[in-house]
Amino acid sequence: QQQVKQSPQSLIVQKGGISIINCAYENTAFDYFPWYQQFPGKGPALLIAIRPDVSEKKEGRFTISFNKSAKQFSLHIMDSQPGDSATYFCAASMGTDKLIFGTGTRLQVFP
Amino acid sequence: NAGVTQTPKFQVLKTGQSMTLQCAQDMNHEYMSWYRQDPGMGLRLIHYSVGAGITDQGEVPNGYNVSRSTTEDFPLRLLSAAPSQTSVYFCASSYLGRGNEKLFFGSGTQLSVL
Repeated sequence: QQQVKQSPQSLIVQKGGISIINCAYENTAFDYFPWYQQFPGKGPALLIAIRPDVSEKKEGRFTISFNKSAKQFSLHIMDSQPGDSATYFCAASMGTDKLIFGTGTRLQVFP
Repeated sequence: NAGVTQTPKFQVLKTGQSMTLQCAQDMNHEYMSWYRQDPGMGLRLIHYSVGAGITDQGEVPNGYNVSRSTTEDFPLRLLSAAPSQTSVYFCASSYLGRGNEKLFFGSGTQLSVL
């Protein structure tokens, strides 16, 4: 039973384009939604996170958009660069409970 | 400040062999955990610990053992390796293990079981 569904599984974007990765969740009690970025041969690292009291959070070229009514959140990467090529995981948690990860999206940005 | 250190980086086992994956952290984190990463499956929690002497099962604990004798170390033992355990294993730690804390991951161990 997958509580956080992530799409697409893979994404190819041209340099300068916008990359969009989507996640949907089922448990309305989730109150923390982070995104982790993983480069090949490395472990995941926290990229950006949001709580449901805001609809958007922006850090540089990375933005999380959050739609509480639709139970969806997405990562937007503006002006995508080859250095952004990585696997991205969305996740969700409730209170002090453990993070539940999505299945991951492999992003490739071509010059 | 090394963060989370995992050894070895690569390992090949034969079915039925046993081995221990090592994990150490130098951030004085109470919480340590093991995940496995498989294509299309994301990151799945195997076992975790909220402090020395305290361990608990995660989502996929079968075939794995853990112990936590010190704050710094959290080894993962495969008792009798099976091909289904071929995966990339990550150790992760955080201050207290709350779901809204930043998780620090090691660089992983790629394990193949033949």
